[in-house]
Amino acid sequence: EVQLVESGGGVVQPGGSLRLSCAASGFTFDDYAMHWVRQAPGKGLEWVSLISGDGGSTYYADSVKGRFTISRDNSKNSLYLQMNSLRTEDTALYYCAKDRVVAAAGTFDYWGQGTLVTVSS
Amino acid sequence: VIWMTQSPSLLSASTGDRVTISCRMSQGISSYLAWYQQKPGKAPELLIYAASTLQSGVPSRFSGSGSGTDFTLTISCLQSEDFATYYCQQYYSFPWTFGQGTKVEIK
Repeated sequence: EVQLVESGGGVVQPGGSLRLSCAASGFTFDDYAMHWVRQAPGKGLEWVSLISGDGGSTYYADSVKGRFTISRDNSKNSLYLQMNSLRTEDTALYYCAKDRVVAAAGTFDYWGQGTLVTVSS
Repeated sequence: VIWMTQSPSLLSASTGDRVTISCRMSQGISSYLAWYQQKPGKAPELLIYAASTLQSGVPSRFSGSGSGTDFTLTISCLQSEDFATYYCQQYYSFPWTFGQGTKVEIK
């Protein structure tokens, strides 16, 4: 059974940093691209970032480019999101999501339950 | 950036109804469109990808159609467990984007 469990969320002041983690199990982790998708309270979904299975390719939404860094440790079946220079508009529930196919197709077939990031002074 | 217009924002329906949700793109995306269902307090679930391919395990009352700029999600016979919010998503080009969502509520 595929499981994705996020952690690392919390309350942080504007300009601060936070590192999110996602522990994956139930599939061959390094075969699949992984993503972060976020959802502001009461709002819709926003794709944030993608990392390829080998970690060699990364992509970001313009809203986080230059501030967020996605990474993975395939030896630990773990995905990360380093979030720097946080803004109030980054407040959201952050989901870790698995790509549906081996080559990053851009569809998400498994999601974690999310970890809440609140940016507030 | 590809902009998406999803309509309606709110849909009131009864169990057994046939419902349709529309998603229109600002430019053509071939068939690179997915649909997700999200229930309150839960993560989204993939329903359909490639505009019309049903994800494994999804009931056949769900169907998708369209290509290019206009797409539709249809629920042929609404069940109680289908009351939720639905999102379309394009994965034709970065940044991948979602529609604003359609909340299907009990009439």
